[in-house]
Amino acid sequence: NAGVTQTPKFQVLKTGQSMTLQCAQDMNHNSMYWYRQDPGMGLRLIYYSASEGTTDKGEVPNGYNVSRLNKREFSLRLESAAPSQTSVYFCASAQDNQPQHFGDGTRLSIL
Amino acid sequence: SQKIEQNSEALNIQEGKTATLTCNYTNYSPAYLQWYRQDPGRGPVFLLLIRENEKEKRKERLKVTFDTTLKQSLFHITASQPADSATYLCAPTDTGRRALTFGSGTRLQVQP
Repeated sequence: NAGVTQTPKFQVLKTGQSMTLQCAQDMNHNSMYWYRQDPGMGLRLIYYSASEGTTDKGEVPNGYNVSRLNKREFSLRLESAAPSQTSVYFCASAQDNQPQHFGDGTRLSIL
Repeated sequence: SQKIEQNSEALNIQEGKTATLTCNYTNYSPAYLQWYRQDPGRGPVFLLLIRENEKEKRKERLKVTFDTTLKQSLFHITASQPADSATYLCAPTDTGRRALTFGSGTRLQVQP
């Protein structure tokens, strides 16, 4: 029962480095989402993909890019990491407007 | 602008009591509202969804109410247990929107 799998679980980067956060789901869901969670701010939507081949900006998209590689996989890329992007990143999937299933997050620190 | 308010202060209650958590929203016309539970170091887990035409919904020891006039949802856990200790997030969702906007959550601590 894998559900939503995120890799890596932890990462430390230096300012200006790039990296890609990976997310895969095995529930055949159409929609996938990337959120960030900061203390006192709750979950904020970065990007989402309603179906394979489509992506849309969320509340806080600046500094990020996404790729919906296929139905299973939705990656989040930081091209030039900044300390303000230190956060916990969650990926989620859902079938249309059904409740979302979340991964356990990637804890990212940028020095 | 749209706003979701949940008590930022932690709620501490004794085991066996009923916990009541509040979710207030402004500038939403939600077709439904969802509640999620989040444990430390884990992703949120869906608990209950209530639609705008439903006043109340129950699942085992959980009960959710939805008052679209007051723009408020209440989340109740009866006969609370230490294992219920977690942060609870609400997410009102407008008609036609797929993406969720979450409140910042209320942390519940149930003392044995």
